[in-house]
Amino acid sequence: DAMVIQNPRYQVTQFGKPVTLSCSQTLNHNVMYWYQQKSSQAPKLLFHYYDKDFNNEADTPDNFQSRRPNTSFCFLDIRSPGLGDAAMYLCATSREAEDNEQFFGPGTRLTVL
Amino acid sequence: QKEVEQDPGPLSVPEGAIVSLNCTYSNSAFQYFMWYRQYSRKGPELLMYTYSSGNKEDGRFTAQVDKSSKYISLFIRDSQPSDSATYLCAMSGGADGLTFGKGTHLIIQP
Repeated sequence: DAMVIQNPRYQVTQFGKPVTLSCSQTLNHNVMYWYQQKSSQAPKLLFHYYDKDFNNEADTPDNFQSRRPNTSFCFLDIRSPGLGDAAMYLCATSREAEDNEQFFGPGTRLTVL
Repeated sequence: QKEVEQDPGPLSVPEGAIVSLNCTYSNSAFQYFMWYRQYSRKGPELLMYTYSSGNKEDGRFTAQVDKSSKYISLFIRDSQPSDSATYLCAMSGGADGLTFGKGTHLIIQP
C-alpha cells in the first residue's frame, strides 16, 4: 500500500542533544511537509518542500532544519532540543503544491528530558 | 482572533446519535476545506475534502461549507464507538499549506 512512513514512532532525547526524525513516502508525491503538534493544539506547519525547493515558515525557529535528499525521503533536524520542543512531529505529502489533499504519516512523538 | 476557531470539547453523545462538528474562520481567501480524523497518538486521516461552498456526502459523513458565514460543518450519522476520535478542520486558500483548527474531541458512548 502506498503510504507515508515515519521513524522512529517514539524518540526520547536529552535537553540540547541533537535529534533527527525521518519520513519516507511511497506515494511519489512532489510536496512534503513537516508539522509540529503539541497536546490539544492544531498542527503547526514548520517547513514544506516542493520537489527540492525548500520553504521555511516565517515563525519556524532556527533550531529546526530540514533536508530532502530525494523525492522519497525528508528529515527533520532539531539542533538543540529544548523542553518546549516536546511534541508530535507529523510528516505529510501532497501530489502538487496546489493540491490541498495532504496525507499524513503516523507521527513521531518526541520527549525531551 | 485566531484564523480558525474550533470548540475543543469533549463532545459526548450516545451511540446512534447524529453528531455535528463545526469550525469558523476569518480568512475570506480560504477556498479548500477538509476534515481530518485523528485517533490518539496517530497521524490525522483525511475524511472529507470540499472546494468552495456546498455539501458533500460520503457514507455516514456529510461536510457543509457556508463561505458567506465563514462556517463549516461535519455531520456524522448513526455514530459508532469507533468514531470516537479528535476531528480537525483544515483549510487553505491555494498553494499555501493548511491552517488547522485545534480539533474537537468526540466521544461516542456505547
